[in-house]
Amino acid sequence: DAGVTQSPTHLIKTRGQHVTLRCSPISGHKSVSWYQQVLGQGPQFIFQYYEKEERGRGNFPDRFSARQFPNYSSELNVNALLLGDSALYLCASSFLSSQSNTEAFFGQGTRLTVV
Amino acid sequence: DQQVKQNSPSLSVQEGRISILNCDYTNSMFDYFLWYKKYPAEGPTFLISISSIKDKNEDGRFTVFLNKSAKHLSLHIVPSQPGDSAVYFCAASASSGTYKYIFGTGTRLKVLA
Repeated sequence: DAGVTQSPTHLIKTRGQHVTLRCSPISGHKSVSWYQQVLGQGPQFIFQYYEKEERGRGNFPDRFSARQFPNYSSELNVNALLLGDSALYLCASSFLSSQSNTEAFFGQGTRLTVV
Repeated sequence: DQQVKQNSPSLSVQEGRISILNCDYTNSMFDYFLWYKKYPAEGPTFLISISSIKDKNEDGRFTVFLNKSAKHLSLHIVPSQPGDSAVYFCAASASSGTYKYIFGTGTRLKVLA
C-alpha cells in the first residue's frame, strides 16, 4: 500500500515568489495535516483539513493557505516567500479528524529553499 | 512557549544496552502522546503511542512510560541496535477540540556498534 506521498521532494524558489506543495494521503484517510520543520526544531503545525474543511490552523501568517480536494489530497500554498520560509514541509494523514488517540503518518516531506 | 520539551539534544548508547529518551510537557490538557523516529531526508515514522489512561505501553523493543503527575514520559529501547540511530521526537495532543500534535525539539540517538 502506498504511504503518504508528497511532491516535489525538493524545491528552490526566490524571495517573493509563490509555491504550491502537494500531498496525497494514505488510501482511506480523510484527514491531512501540514507541518513546517526548520533545522534543529520539531515540526510545527500549520493546518489540518478533514473532509475538505479546515479544522485547525497554527500560528502562521496569511501568506500560508491550504485546501483539500474531493479525493482527500491536499495543497499547501505559500505566497510572497521569505528566506525564513526555508524548511522541510511535512504532510501527515490520519483516519480520524481528531489527533487525539490516533497516530498520523507522515510523508517524506518537501525541502523548500528560498534564496 | 515550549509545551513539549526534550532537554537532551543528543544521546550515545552502546549496542545492546538500553536507550532512554525523555520528554516533559507543561499542558495538563494533553491526553495522548506519541514517539516518532526520523532519519535524514525522510519524514517522521510513527513508533509508539500512549493514552493518558495508561502509564505504560510496550511494542517489541520499545516501551513508553507516562508519569502524569510529573508530566513526564520516556521511551525505552531495549536492546539498542545501530539501526536505531536517528532523531526521536516526542509529540502530544489534546482531545479538547484541537487537531494538532505539539512536537518537542528532538533527541539525536547514536547507537555505537
